[in-house]
Amino acid sequence: DGGITQSPKYLFRKEGQNVTLSCEQNLNHDAMYWYRQDPGQGLRLIYYSQIVNDFQKGDIAEGYSVSREKKESFPLTVTSAQKNPTAFYLCASSIPGQNPNYGYTFGSGTRLTVV
Amino acid sequence: EDKVVQSPLSLVVHEGDTVTLNCSYEVTNFRSLLWYKQEKKAPTFLFMLTSSGIEKKSGRLSSILDKKELFSILNITATQTGDSAVYLCAARTGTASKLTFGTGTRLQVTL
Repeated sequence: DGGITQSPKYLFRKEGQNVTLSCEQNLNHDAMYWYRQDPGQGLRLIYYSQIVNDFQKGDIAEGYSVSREKKESFPLTVTSAQKNPTAFYLCASSIPGQNPNYGYTFGSGTRLTVV
Repeated sequence: EDKVVQSPLSLVVHEGDTVTLNCSYEVTNFRSLLWYKQEKKAPTFLFMLTSSGIEKKSGRLSSILDKKELFSILNITATQTGDSAVYLCAARTGTASKLTFGTGTRLQVTL
């Protein structure tokens, strides 16, 4: 079955450490996205990529980095520069372009906690 | 700056009630309006709306978009406890198809 796999589901990090969250999709989608969700809030866009080897900052990119070396993979690194990294992180993919009828597909998320 | 506002923020109703959730948006290069249901983890897609005045329906859920007033509503009739969730509205914009989300409406359906 096609879908998006995020790992790990739960992640604990000590202050000052970098951690990388994995996102893999087998939907052959060109575009991939990373969102952050805090309690009681909606999703906020961190980074997105429309094509391999290209990505753009979203609304809250500070303290995060990404890479897009393969179409299937879009890992997110939470660096020590991110002041408040404890949150729920969601990866998504879609087919961009003119056709508005394609929705997003979301992964099941990674819950990151700083200890 | 793109903005999506949902109301109410939270709602408690009795099973069998009908509820209406609201979503207004102010975005550039609007393409479509999406509704999601989020229970514990990933949001589940409900509707995508691109044209004004055309109601989309799925069982007890329905939604409609007003592109003139920049507004959408999600209706749930004969609510059940399984409808308890956070309902997210998002505006899809631009050629990159980014989504700007509202803060969500937390719906609790009690017996």
